[in-house]
Amino acid sequence: QLQLQESGPGLVKPSETLSLTCTVSGGSISSSSYYWGWIRQPPGKGLEWIGSIYYSGSTYYNPSLKSRVTISVDTSKNQFSLKLSSVTAADTAVYYCARLFIVVVPARGSYNAFDIWGQGTMVTVSS
Amino acid sequence: DIQMTQSPSSLSASVGDRVTITCRASQSISSYLNWYQQKPGKAPKLLIYAASSLQSGVPSRFSGSGSGTDFTLTISSLQPEDFATYYCQQSYSTPRGFTFGPGTKVDIK
Repeated sequence: QLQLQESGPGLVKPSETLSLTCTVSGGSISSSSYYWGWIRQPPGKGLEWIGSIYYSGSTYYNPSLKSRVTISVDTSKNQFSLKLSSVTAADTAVYYCARLFIVVVPARGSYNAFDIWGQGTMVTVSS
Repeated sequence: DIQMTQSPSSLSASVGDRVTITCRASQSISSYLNWYQQKPGKAPKLLIYAASSLQSGVPSRFSGSGSGTDFTLTISSLQPEDFATYYCQQSYSTPRGFTFGPGTKVDIK
């Protein structure tokens, strides 16, 4: 079955760029039925959507992070990536990648939800 | 921006109890509301999408209802494996934005 796995440094210095990659296995990232997204969770806190990408490269970002976020996709490697620049301690969190499915509910319309998640990777911002 | 609130922020319940969690949106989001369960150290798990549709493989004791601004997640008979934190999430702004609620922690009474 489809699996997602985050990878990248667990420690990033303040003011530097956080870079993570999500590798998709057991299925194609190029399916027209899905978007792909990044969500983070600071220690002991709630979930925050960072952004999403379609296999074509169309991207959508959380307005509160938009100036610092870049999400890209590499269909040849079945991967998508996150870059977050100018990080501070406030960016310390568990970062999850996830699949966003598109489903048509009869007589109701089209809906999205994050149905498959990676295990998450902890990123600490510290000097 | 659409803001999400949940109540209560935490609750204590016993196995077999009926549990209800409420989620409210700052504006109407029709039925664009999802529910997730998260256990400590684990990724969230999708329970309900489109306010009331049960995700494949999720036990039928979980149900969702509501539309517009007010939504409810109900666990009809709480099981030991259901002690977790539950988050609602709006997908009305999809794909340009998603907002999660602050979470409701369900623990053992």
